[in-house]
Amino acid sequence: AQSVAQPEDQVNVAEGNPLTVKCTYSVSGNPYLFWYVQYPNRGLQFLLKYITGDNLVKGSYGFEAEFNKSQTSFHLKKPSALVSDSALYFCAVIGVTGGGNKLTFGTGTQLKVEL
Amino acid sequence: DTGVSQDPRHKITKRGQNVTFRCDPISEHNRLYWYRQTLGQGPEFLTYFQNEAQLEKSRLLSDRFSAERPKGSFSTLEIQRTEQGDSAMYLCASSREGNSNQPQHFGDGTRLSIL
Repeated sequence: AQSVAQPEDQVNVAEGNPLTVKCTYSVSGNPYLFWYVQYPNRGLQFLLKYITGDNLVKGSYGFEAEFNKSQTSFHLKKPSALVSDSALYFCAVIGVTGGGNKLTFGTGTQLKVEL
Repeated sequence: DTGVSQDPRHKITKRGQNVTFRCDPISEHNRLYWYRQTLGQGPEFLTYFQNEAQLEKSRLLSDRFSAERPKGSFSTLEIQRTEQGDSAMYLCASSREGNSNQPQHFGDGTRLSIL
């Protein structure tokens, strides 16, 4: 079985400061990892993915994520937060073997960026 | 890309009624997914199509739920004899054929409220 944990329900950060949203995962074998963002009353918007190779993945809107196999983590980062980044962020995983095609999501982290 | 389109955006119905939702995927995507999202949770996988074939179904998909994709383009999700617990956001996603690392692109969902 595959699972994702997002240990923080909410992260608060001041505009211009760096942000980190944490994610850990559990799969059998290697993972494919994804980050999505959700704005109120909208669907999920794809930000970035990790498949293989370089542990630092760059995505949309200045976001990046760092894959750490030994810690089974895939934390989302941005060097300088914007108020418009305030939204709900989801980490998701598919196992490369046996994961099928279904994404397994964490419970989400609400990011609040304040002036 | 015109994006994944879902209709209706909102549905309010009385307990015991049947409801049907429609999803139009991104035109060149031959994979289509349905997920359910309840308040404070990440989306949960319901079912997955490749072209017109329904290849995977979650145990969450009770006998009251049925999904179709008759011509490999749009899909419908029907819930019969709705119950209070069916109240949720129903999300549709689509992706290109290939490995399961292809990102899934989501529509804005259908919010179902059962009175």
